[in-house]
Amino acid sequence: QKEVEQNSGPLSVPEGAIASLNCTYSDRGSQSFFWYRQYSGKSPELIMSIYSNGDKEDGRFTAQLNKASQYVSLLIRDSQPSDSATYLCAPTRGKSTFGDGTTLTVKP
Amino acid sequence: DVKVTQSSRYLVKRTGEKVFLECVQDMDHENMFWYRQDPGLGLRLIYFSYDVKMKEKGDIPEGYSVSREKKERFSLILESASTNQTSMYLCASSLGRPEQYFGPGTRLTVT
Repeated sequence: QKEVEQNSGPLSVPEGAIASLNCTYSDRGSQSFFWYRQYSGKSPELIMSIYSNGDKEDGRFTAQLNKASQYVSLLIRDSQPSDSATYLCAPTRGKSTFGDGTTLTVKP
Repeated sequence: DVKVTQSSRYLVKRTGEKVFLECVQDMDHENMFWYRQDPGLGLRLIYFSYDVKMKEKGDIPEGYSVSREKKERFSLILESASTNQTSMYLCASSLGRPEQYFGPGTRLTVT
């Protein structure tokens, strides 16, 4: 079993909709997570971190961590075409494990 | 702003050649990482280094070696390039905190 599993994509949503990206993890010791965004042909960039159970909001982005269920999610409200990218989740501990990523396409 | 640079954006090498990929960061970060990224396989850690002359194997170190003689520079070496090492190679660095800053990547083609 992979340490981090992301929901299989690709995910397509219309402009203005909510995009929901999910990630499950197997290591119960993982306490916090990062979300990275990777545009096609570019390298990943960190967009969100979440260090405690619950929700963390940053503009149109909300990261959610549920330790009991071992999942972490990223919600993007009012999705824009510029949000089209691959999103990677990664636990902050361990030997740098990343999920395989979910590719999001926001259609105008 | 943290800047991580990689020596080449695109590289074409022949099978059996020794290949050097260089990565430089300008923020005095302790940790540096080398990944390769392939479609369907995601981002996989090859090696990382947490200090000068220190290194640890990642998930897929076979066929690779690394060198870190100076804090700002981390080199990935393919001793004898093979076609299955054709990939996008990404370097990253981080300070004590675990968030990583990535370089632009090197797309290596081995023919």
